[in-house]
Amino acid sequence: SQTIHQWPATLVQPVGSPLSLECTVEGTSNPNLYWYRQAAGRGLQLLFYSVGIGQISSEVPQNLSASRPQDRQFILSSKKLLLSDSGFYLCAWGRDSNSPLHFGNGTRLTVT
Amino acid sequence: QKEVEQDPGPLSVPEGAIVSLNCTYSNSAFQYFMWYRQYSRKGPELLMYTYSSGNKEDGRFTAQVDKSSKYISLFIRDSQPSDSATYLCAMYNSGYALNFGKGTSLLVTP
Repeated sequence: SQTIHQWPATLVQPVGSPLSLECTVEGTSNPNLYWYRQAAGRGLQLLFYSVGIGQISSEVPQNLSASRPQDRQFILSSKKLLLSDSGFYLCAWGRDSNSPLHFGNGTRLTVT
Repeated sequence: QKEVEQDPGPLSVPEGAIVSLNCTYSNSAFQYFMWYRQYSRKGPELLMYTYSSGNKEDGRFTAQVDKSSKYISLFIRDSQPSDSATYLCAMYNSGYALNFGKGTSLLVTP
Protein backbone atom coordinates (compact mmCIF):
# COMPACT_ATOMS: atom_id res chain seq x y z
CA SER A 1 0.00 0.00 0.00
CA GLN A 2 1.00 3.59 -0.51
CA THR A 3 1.99 5.94 2.27
CA ILE A 4 2.97 9.57 2.36
CA HIS A 5 5.29 11.06 4.93
CA GLN A 6 5.60 14.71 5.71
CA TRP A 7 7.85 16.40 8.24
CA PRO A 8 8.20 18.17 10.50
CA ALA A 9 4.72 18.20 11.98
CA THR A 10 5.21 21.58 13.62
CA LEU A 11 7.69 24.34 12.93
CA VAL A 12 8.24 27.79 14.41
CA GLN A 13 10.59 30.01 12.46
CA PRO A 14 11.56 33.69 12.70
CA VAL A 15 10.87 36.12 9.89
CA GLY A 16 13.68 36.11 7.34
CA SER A 17 14.83 32.57 8.07
CA PRO A 18 14.92 29.84 5.41
CA LEU A 19 12.44 27.00 5.13
CA SER A 20 12.61 23.44 3.95
CA LEU A 21 9.66 21.05 4.23
CA GLU A 22 10.03 17.54 2.93
CA CYS A 23 7.52 15.01 1.65
CA THR A 24 8.10 11.45 0.49
CA VAL A 25 5.76 8.86 -0.94
CA GLU A 26 6.21 5.09 -0.66
CA GLY A 27 4.61 2.24 -2.55
CA THR A 28 4.11 3.87 -5.93
CA SER A 29 6.22 5.18 -8.77
CA ASN A 30 6.01 8.36 -10.82
CA PRO A 31 3.21 9.91 -8.77
CA ASN A 32 1.89 13.40 -9.29
CA LEU A 33 2.93 15.43 -6.24
CA TYR A 34 1.34 18.54 -4.80
CA TRP A 35 1.89 21.20 -2.16
CA TYR A 36 -1.18 22.89 -0.70
CA ARG A 37 -1.59 25.53 1.96
CA GLN A 38 -4.64 25.57 4.19
CA ALA A 39 -5.55 28.77 5.99
CA ALA A 40 -8.42 29.06 8.44
CA GLY A 41 -11.61 30.07 6.66
CA ARG A 42 -9.89 30.15 3.28
CA GLY A 43 -9.82 26.55 2.20
CA LEU A 44 -7.08 24.67 0.44
CA GLN A 45 -4.84 26.59 -1.93
CA LEU A 46 -2.72 24.75 -4.48
CA LEU A 47 0.84 26.06 -4.42
CA PHE A 48 2.82 23.69 -6.65
CA TYR A 49 2.41 20.44 -8.48
CA SER A 50 4.84 18.11 -10.20
CA VAL A 51 4.29 15.37 -12.77
CA GLY A 52 7.90 14.16 -12.77
CA ILE A 53 11.44 14.68 -11.54
CA GLY A 54 12.50 18.28 -12.03
CA GLN A 55 9.08 19.29 -13.39
CA ILE A 56 7.41 21.91 -11.21
CA SER A 57 4.36 24.04 -11.94
CA SER A 58 3.54 27.00 -9.76
CA GLU A 59 -0.05 28.02 -9.25
CA VAL A 60 0.42 31.10 -7.12
CA PRO A 61 3.29 33.63 -7.25
CA GLN A 62 4.76 33.83 -3.77
CA ASN A 63 7.77 33.66 -1.53
CA LEU A 64 8.02 29.89 -1.89
CA SER A 65 9.58 27.42 -4.30
CA ALA A 66 9.37 23.67 -4.79
CA SER A 67 11.72 21.02 -6.05
CA ARG A 68 11.47 17.34 -6.91
CA PRO A 69 14.96 15.88 -6.76
CA GLN A 70 13.76 12.26 -6.78
CA ASP A 71 10.71 10.48 -8.10
CA ARG A 72 8.96 10.25 -4.74
CA GLN A 73 10.40 13.27 -2.96
CA PHE A 74 8.92 16.74 -3.00
CA ILE A 75 10.44 19.71 -1.15
CA LEU A 76 8.94 23.09 -0.35
CA SER A 77 11.43 25.87 0.31
CA SER A 78 11.82 29.52 1.04
CA LYS A 79 14.95 31.64 1.26
CA LYS A 80 13.39 34.21 3.58
CA LEU A 81 10.13 33.60 5.41
CA LEU A 82 7.47 36.26 5.76
CA LEU A 83 4.83 36.50 8.47
CA SER A 84 2.24 35.78 5.80
CA ASP A 85 3.84 32.38 5.13
CA SER A 86 2.37 31.03 8.37
CA GLY A 87 -0.15 28.27 7.75
CA PHE A 88 -0.80 24.57 7.46
CA TYR A 89 1.15 23.03 4.58
CA LEU A 90 -0.03 19.80 3.06
CA CYS A 91 1.70 17.48 0.65
CA ALA A 92 -0.41 15.18 -1.52
CA TRP A 93 0.03 12.59 -4.24
CA GLY A 94 -2.13 11.19 -7.02
CA ARG A 95 -1.62 8.42 -9.57
CA ASP A 96 -2.50 10.67 -12.50
CA SER A 97 -4.53 13.73 -13.38
CA ASN A 98 -7.84 11.83 -13.11
CA SER A 99 -7.17 10.25 -9.71
CA PRO A 100 -8.10 11.49 -6.26
CA LEU A 101 -5.40 12.99 -4.08
CA HIS A 102 -4.03 11.46 -0.89
CA PHE A 103 -2.69 13.85 1.70
CA GLY A 104 0.01 13.74 4.33
CA ASN A 105 -0.62 14.93 7.84
CA GLY A 106 0.73 18.38 7.21
CA THR A 107 3.20 20.81 8.73
CA ARG A 108 1.93 23.64 10.86
CA LEU A 109 4.28 26.56 10.24
CA THR A 110 4.31 29.61 12.45
CA VAL A 111 6.49 32.51 11.39
CA THR A 112 7.24 34.86 14.29
CA GLN B 1 -19.43 33.31 -7.65
CA LYS B 2 -16.98 30.82 -6.20
CA GLU B 3 -16.65 27.56 -8.11
CA VAL B 4 -17.46 25.39 -5.07
CA GLU B 5 -19.71 26.47 -2.23
CA GLN B 6 -19.99 24.63 1.06
CA ASP B 7 -21.75 25.71 4.24
CA PRO B 8 -19.08 25.97 6.97
CA GLY B 9 -21.45 24.99 9.78
CA PRO B 10 -20.89 24.03 12.51
CA LEU B 11 -23.43 21.26 12.24
CA SER B 12 -24.27 19.57 15.53
CA VAL B 13 -26.24 16.31 15.63
CA PRO B 14 -26.93 13.65 18.27
CA GLU B 15 -25.26 10.26 18.02
CA GLY B 16 -27.16 7.92 15.70
CA ALA B 17 -28.58 10.69 13.51
CA ILE B 18 -28.36 10.74 9.73
CA VAL B 19 -26.08 13.54 8.59
CA SER B 20 -26.40 15.30 5.25
CA LEU B 21 -23.49 17.38 3.97
CA ASN B 22 -23.74 19.30 0.72
CA CYS B 23 -21.82 21.28 -1.87
CA THR B 24 -22.91 23.25 -4.88
CA TYR B 25 -20.72 24.16 -7.80
CA SER B 26 -20.84 26.38 -10.83
CA ASN B 27 -18.62 24.65 -13.41
CA SER B 28 -20.69 22.15 -15.39
CA ALA B 29 -17.49 20.56 -16.72
CA PHE B 30 -16.66 18.97 -13.37
CA GLN B 31 -16.78 15.19 -13.66
CA TYR B 32 -14.84 13.83 -10.68
CA PHE B 33 -16.14 14.36 -7.17
CA MET B 34 -14.56 13.59 -3.83
CA TRP B 35 -15.33 13.87 -0.14
CA TYR B 36 -12.56 14.19 2.41
CA ARG B 37 -12.70 14.01 6.20
CA GLN B 38 -10.23 16.11 8.16
CA TYR B 39 -9.62 15.79 11.87
CA SER B 40 -8.11 18.68 13.74
CA ARG B 41 -4.40 19.15 12.98
CA LYS B 42 -4.39 16.29 10.47
CA GLY B 43 -4.39 16.08 6.70
CA PRO B 44 -7.61 15.39 4.75
CA GLU B 45 -8.47 11.71 4.36
CA LEU B 46 -10.24 10.53 1.22
CA LEU B 47 -13.67 9.12 2.04
CA MET B 48 -15.48 8.86 -1.28
CA TYR B 49 -14.59 9.25 -4.95
CA THR B 50 -17.21 9.29 -7.68
CA TYR B 51 -17.26 9.93 -11.37
CA SER B 52 -20.20 11.71 -13.01
CA SER B 53 -23.75 11.47 -11.64
CA GLY B 54 -25.25 8.84 -9.38
CA ASN B 55 -24.86 7.31 -5.96
CA LYS B 56 -22.02 5.44 -4.32
CA GLU B 57 -22.21 3.67 -1.01
CA ASP B 58 -19.41 2.58 1.32
CA GLY B 59 -20.46 1.33 4.73
CA ARG B 60 -22.24 4.13 6.58
CA PHE B 61 -21.34 6.67 3.90
CA THR B 62 -23.25 7.46 0.71
CA ALA B 63 -22.10 9.98 -1.87
CA GLN B 64 -24.61 11.43 -4.27
CA VAL B 65 -23.96 13.53 -7.36
CA ASP B 66 -26.63 15.45 -9.25
CA LYS B 67 -24.90 17.08 -12.20
CA SER B 68 -28.10 18.60 -13.55
CA SER B 69 -28.44 20.62 -10.34
CA LYS B 70 -24.67 20.99 -9.81
CA TYR B 71 -25.14 19.57 -6.32
CA ILE B 72 -23.33 16.85 -4.42
CA SER B 73 -24.10 15.32 -1.06
CA LEU B 74 -22.53 13.05 1.51
CA PHE B 75 -24.82 11.13 3.84
CA ILE B 76 -23.59 9.54 7.06
CA ARG B 77 -25.88 6.97 8.64
CA ASP B 78 -25.81 6.07 12.33
CA SER B 79 -23.41 8.92 13.06
CA GLN B 80 -20.81 8.39 15.78
CA PRO B 81 -18.82 10.84 17.93
CA SER B 82 -15.74 9.68 15.98
CA ASP B 83 -17.34 11.21 12.86
CA SER B 84 -16.82 14.66 14.39
CA ALA B 85 -14.50 16.36 11.93
CA THR B 86 -14.46 18.81 9.05
CA TYR B 87 -15.76 17.43 5.76
CA LEU B 88 -14.40 18.83 2.52
CA CYS B 89 -15.86 18.35 -0.92
CA ALA B 90 -13.57 18.52 -3.95
CA MET B 91 -14.04 18.21 -7.67
CA TYR B 92 -12.41 18.68 -11.05
CA ASN B 93 -12.83 18.11 -14.75
CA SER B 94 -9.45 16.67 -15.57
CA GLY B 95 -6.04 18.06 -14.97
CA TYR B 96 -4.18 18.89 -11.83
CA ALA B 97 -6.15 21.47 -9.91
CA LEU B 98 -8.71 20.13 -7.48
CA ASN B 99 -11.39 22.64 -6.54
CA PHE B 100 -12.16 22.39 -2.85
CA GLY B 101 -15.03 23.61 -0.76
CA LYS B 102 -14.02 25.32 2.46
CA GLY B 103 -15.35 22.48 4.57
CA THR B 104 -18.27 21.83 6.93
CA SER B 105 -17.52 21.31 10.60
CA LEU B 106 -19.53 18.41 12.05
CA LEU B 107 -20.00 17.63 15.74
CA VAL B 108 -21.71 14.41 16.79
CA THR B 109 -22.67 14.51 20.44
CA PRO B 110 -23.04 11.35 22.57
